Amino acid sequence: KQEVTQIPAALSVPEGENLVLNCSFTDSAIYNLQWFRQDPGKGLTSLLLIQSSQREQTSGRLNASLDKSSGRSTLYIAASQPGDSATYLCAVDRAGGTSYGKLTFGQGTILTVHP
Amino acid sequence: SQTIHQWPATLVQPVGSPLSLECTVEGTSNPNLYWYRQAAGRGLQLLFYSVGIGQISSEVPQNLSASRPQDRQFILSSKKLLLSDSGFYLCAWEAGYTNTGELFFGEGSRLTVL
Repeated sequence: KQEVTQIPAALSVPEGENLVLNCSFTDSAIYNLQWFRQDPGKGLTSLLLIQSSQREQTSGRLNASLDKSSGRSTLYIAASQPGDSATYLCAVDRAGGTSYGKLTFGQGTILTVHP
Repeated sequence: SQTIHQWPATLVQPVGSPLSLECTVEGTSNPNLYWYRQAAGRGLQLLFYSVGIGQISSEVPQNLSASRPQDRQFILSSKKLLLSDSGFYLCAWEAGYTNTGELFFGEGSRLTVL
């Protein structure tokens, strides 16, 4: 059974810092890995999707890497801003089958960026 | 562009009452559709998914059911709610034809069972 762990559970940083969120998974047979952002009481916003054959993806100040063999992914946020404050969720999609989207989620990292 | 809508946004129901949560997707055809639940302290869990009209797969045994009466409509139901059904229900879609597996979520429906 796939298990996804995110470290740290919570992180508080001053504005402008570069930071790294960590995600690990127990079964390397994944199809892809997605990073999401969730604001309080809201749905999930997709940030980055990394296919199992890829090593990293970048979008603006965000960079996500994937090391499938070791079961790890990191989300790097450059020059953090108060608007980045949210819960960040990592999820892996199991490989195989006829459909996708059956994600296993981590518990999330609660990020607070203070001015 | 594609959009996904869920309603109601918030619902407070007594134990034993019925439930119907609705999700619709616009701007795409034949999406794969999903219902996830986010319960306090338990993270996000896949409940149901559908790859086409009338095709429903259940991931966990429970008090809930799902239906897909139209291509872009996904409904989550219960005949009699339990306290344990409380949670934040999220609908998601994925464009199966792209084979990327990227999931897009709605704004969620918060259910409180009293």
